[in-house]
Amino acid sequence: SQQGEEDPQALSIQEGENATMNCSYKTSINNLQWYRQNSGRGLVHLILIRSNEREKHSGRLRVTLDTSKKSSSLLITASRAADTASYFCVPDTGRRALTFGSGTRLQVQP
Amino acid sequence: GAGVSQSPSNKVTEKGKDVELRCDPISGHTALYWYRQRLGQGLEFLIYFQGNSAPDKSGLPSDRFSAERTGESVSTLTIQRTQQEDSAVYLCASSLGNRVETEAFFGQGTRLTVV
Repeated sequence: SQQGEEDPQALSIQEGENATMNCSYKTSINNLQWYRQNSGRGLVHLILIRSNEREKHSGRLRVTLDTSKKSSSLLITASRAADTASYFCVPDTGRRALTFGSGTRLQVQP
Repeated sequence: GAGVSQSPSNKVTEKGKDVELRCDPISGHTALYWYRQRLGQGLEFLIYFQGNSAPDKSGLPSDRFSAERTGESVSTLTIQRTQQEDSAVYLCASSLGNRVETEAFFGQGTRLTVV
């Protein structure tokens, strides 16, 4: 399967805390992407990390990639209630269409 | 337009009727994807277009589902003889289609309810 598997399935934290989500995948990749979905619609691309990169930052987001372990993590620092959403990792092999797993449902309590 | 546009945003149809869902991708995006998302579940891949051809139709759940794309632009997803299990949000996405910039941009989806 080309899709990523996110862990945990659900995560609940308090506002201001950090949230860490993990992703594992099975095939070699060109890049790995993280997406966010609020309220069941409106998927938004968050960040893309290439296979030759190990870490990438964007605002309060930090993504790491370990191609030897076929894993990635997404860290959201100083979380806000507005970060409440489902988060998906999408490994891009360059050979097939982008496929999505079940995601991590993040709940940030105000 | 500035983003991916889908229409209608909501559709209620009677079981057995045909429906057509439309997607207008971002101008210049050659790759186009259709996904289905049932309530509380993840995205289910349906079909992928590169230009006007569909190299990957592996996700279409049955022969009642078909999709086409014309002029490397608009795509329509057609569901014939709709069933209640077809009720879901249908999401369309587009991307530049090159091997480097593969980020997908999503529309807001069409919520299909079959009664």
